Amino acid sequence: DIQLTQSPSFVSASVGDRVTITCRASQGISSYLAWYQQKPGKAPKLLIYAASTLQSGVPSRFSGSGSGTEFTLTITSLQPEDFATYYCQQVNSYPRTFGQGTKLEIK
Amino acid sequence: EVQLVESGGGLVQPGGSLRLSCVGSEFTFSSYWMTWVRQAPGKGLEWVANIKHDGSEKYYVDSVRGQFTISRDNAKNSLYLQMDSLRAEDTAVYYCARDNGLWFGPYYYYYMDVWGKGTTVTVSS
Repeated sequence: DIQLTQSPSFVSASVGDRVTITCRASQGISSYLAWYQQKPGKAPKLLIYAASTLQSGVPSRFSGSGSGTEFTLTITSLQPEDFATYYCQQVNSYPRTFGQGTKLEIK
Repeated sequence: EVQLVESGGGLVQPGGSLRLSCVGSEFTFSSYWMTWVRQAPGKGLEWVANIKHDGSEKYYVDSVRGQFTISRDNAKNSLYLQMDSLRAEDTAVYYCARDNGLWFGPYYYYYMDVWGKGTTVTVSS
């Protein structure tokens, strides 16, 4: 199985900050990576797919990059509604594993 | 509004069985692969299984293979997860999600773009 390791696991930031979350795959997955946002008690929400394609309706302050084994999710100018947990998921092969999550907290 | 609604969760004793359902609306259910994802209390997301449009292909995470069975009834716009021999570690919120994707040149990129609100399964005596 492909392992995904996110870093950091926790990040504390302020409104207006720029945050970058990294997702590393245990083997190359080309651009077969998606990012999801989850708020407490809610279902995950798709943000980015194909490593860098923004899902319709997602604000442009979210962006994704990377290919192969290293990927990043960047949020510029953090808004109050962005404080949540973020997960990467590889869709290169089965099982379609998730990273362990990165919790973004308000400083 | 495109929607998925899960049901069937509840409290079950270890060794028991439960069948989860997920009904889709406002989209052509029979055109999409469908997925189950679970989340244990305080933990991250775990991909569980998915099934092709016509039910002809199914994939499972190793931890549930032989224990869980994914199925669908396109005439009822419904997805199911039959869970047998349940253990405490199966306690989780179970989400159904629609698999979607796009072609970029020769490559097809998958993603889950519609999710239900989840149904809670608790395995405890």
